[in-house]
Amino acid sequence: RKEVEQDPGPFNVPEGATVAFNCTYSNSASQSFFWYRQDCRKEPKLLMSVYSSGNEDGRFTAQLNRASQYISLLIRDSKLSDSATYLCVVPPDNYGQNFVFGPGTRLSVLP
Amino acid sequence: GAVVSQHPSRVICKSGTSVKIECRSLDFQATTMFWYRQFPKQSLMLMATSNEGSKATYEQGVEKDKFLINHASLTLSTLTVTSAHPEDSSFYICSAPLDISEKLFFGSGTQLSVL
Repeated sequence: RKEVEQDPGPFNVPEGATVAFNCTYSNSASQSFFWYRQDCRKEPKLLMSVYSSGNEDGRFTAQLNRASQYISLLIRDSKLSDSATYLCVVPPDNYGQNFVFGPGTRLSVLP
Repeated sequence: GAVVSQHPSRVICKSGTSVKIECRSLDFQATTMFWYRQFPKQSLMLMATSNEGSKATYEQGVEKDKFLINHASLTLSTLTVTSAHPEDSSFYICSAPLDISEKLFFGSGTQLSVL
């Protein structure tokens, strides 16, 4: 099992739709997680940090299920500007380990 | 918030030349920086971990003699692509964490095109 896996996508949704994608992780000791968004040929930008059961920021909600080892990202009322690749990132819990990136889920919001 | 500056943003060079990319943490000290490469429509691939004052740690399959990393200070790491070839054309990006489990701050990336 890969360390971090994500829904491969692409997700093509109409403007205004609600869309959710999942990220599963293999290290049960992981305590925190991050969702980044990356536009084409741009650097990833932090979208949300998840430290406990979840987090909500406007139209974006992240939920953490430790028992099943997955984090979901829900986007409500999708905007055209939400089109991007969403990366799930698991930070290390010890020195010497690396941040682990999921492969990303591509979202296209269509007019 | 923390800022990581990466230069240049775009490089076009001839095959056989060397290209240096700089990554600076502007308002925090980064003992560790990460260098990634990303091909079109693919995910970020970690190339190496740059450690201030010591040798970089390279991922499997990454040639350390080709991709030279220097982390001479707590705010600067450089990646030098030596004797670049067309297959080295890619988007290179650096990042640094504030702390071990803190979020990553990314440079704006460097698009390298080798002719």
